[in-house]
Amino acid sequence: DVKVTQSSRYLVKRTGEKVFLECVQDMDHENMFWYRQDPGLGLRLIYFSYDVKMKEKGDIPEGYSVSREKKERFSLILESASTNQTSMYLCASSMSVLLVFGEGSRLTVL
Amino acid sequence: KQEVTQIPAALSVPEGENLVLNCSFTDSAIYNLQWFRQDPGKGLTSLLLIQSSQREQTSGRLNASLDKSSGRSTLYIAASQPGDSATYLCAVRQNYGGATNKLIFGTGTLLAVQP
Repeated sequence: DVKVTQSSRYLVKRTGEKVFLECVQDMDHENMFWYRQDPGLGLRLIYFSYDVKMKEKGDIPEGYSVSREKKERFSLILESASTNQTSMYLCASSMSVLLVFGEGSRLTVL
Repeated sequence: KQEVTQIPAALSVPEGENLVLNCSFTDSAIYNLQWFRQDPGKGLTSLLLIQSSQREQTSGRLNASLDKSSGRSTLYIAASQPGDSATYLCAVRQNYGGATNKLIFGTGTLLAVQP
């Protein structure tokens, strides 16, 4: 069964900490995405990547960076976590039109 | 700028009822539209994808329609079951071309099917 795996389902961090959210897909997909989901705001695109070492800003990239050193892995980095980054983070991958999502990582920043 | 709206935000129906969920979008220049299901605390599962040239897609008890000119899509669920309880989201892909697959999501409709 094809899969997108987000290694951390629940994280609690303190303000100012550096946070890594990892996402791995086993489908040899070219495209990978990071979204955050907040009540009343829906899913908003943070960053996406269409190839190894390539990255593009989404709608809300401020405060985030990403890394795609290998095709199967796309990491989201919060350089200095803030309380307004408390959210559900969803990773997705696709080859063409269909997106496959991971289970999500719920991050709380205290 | 494309905006996707889903009304109502929440819906509660008795088991066995047929129901319709609505999705509207402001820019008709879309490449396709997808319906997703999200269970509490989980990721999204794709249900149906309609290309811009199509009018509808069916999968089991689900039927999705697309009217690009009016900027509307509906998801019809027949003979609803308690297991259908979830949040349903629609998302449109803009007709930008290229290799990217950027989707713009609605905020979802939370469906509760009462036994």
